[in-house]
Amino acid sequence: KAGVTQTPRYLIKTRGQQVTLSCSPISGHRSVSWYQQTPGQGLQFLFEYFSETQRNKGNFPGRFSGRQFSNSRSEMNVSTLELGDSALYLCASSEWGTDTQYFGPGTRLTVL
Amino acid sequence: QQPVQSPQAVILREGEDAVINCSSSKALYSVHWYRQKHGEAPVFLMILLKGGEQKGHEKISASFNEKKQQSSLYLTASQLSYSGTYFCGTEGAGRRALTFGSGTRLQVQP
Repeated sequence: KAGVTQTPRYLIKTRGQQVTLSCSPISGHRSVSWYQQTPGQGLQFLFEYFSETQRNKGNFPGRFSGRQFSNSRSEMNVSTLELGDSALYLCASSEWGTDTQYFGPGTRLTVL
Repeated sequence: QQPVQSPQAVILREGEDAVINCSSSKALYSVHWYRQKHGEAPVFLMILLKGGEQKGHEKISASFNEKKQQSSLYLTASQLSYSGTYFCGTEGAGRRALTFGSGTRLQVQP
């Protein structure tokens, strides 16, 4: 099976802009989680989706949002970008009923 | 609350053993271990569930002490390919979100 794919892999934006990142889970996986990874804060949970519904949400401001489509693909959106949003955004998928999460390669977002 | 990993970094020679610890202050349902190489995504190593058995494959194994809410990852006869940053991710009961430790940087030298 193909692994988790994320697009784009790299992105450069300026403060105040918004950005949309995409994640395609492993075929058959219906749960998608998003994480932010930074050198200072490490890996932090953003949110989890299953069957187009957000099931869990981390402690991030409302500027961070996401959604999931009927084919389990997921997008996350960050509005009004800040310099501190520069990070590697990782998507992980899992089969519902199992706990193992498989990560994609991530999208490296740089905010100037 | 973020689990605490120790040590923060370790340097080994090929063939040496290492132990990485992960400790949480809250009751855990599961502990997940990942290895991440520079510029790559975290790769799943193993998961330990509450009430489950010690897991392992080949020379990498792990244990989960439910009473102490601690997990340890054991790397035996380390190889160069073991180099990377090891993260533990913990999951509380009823919550599928993983809370990750700050990572342990492992470097295996020839």
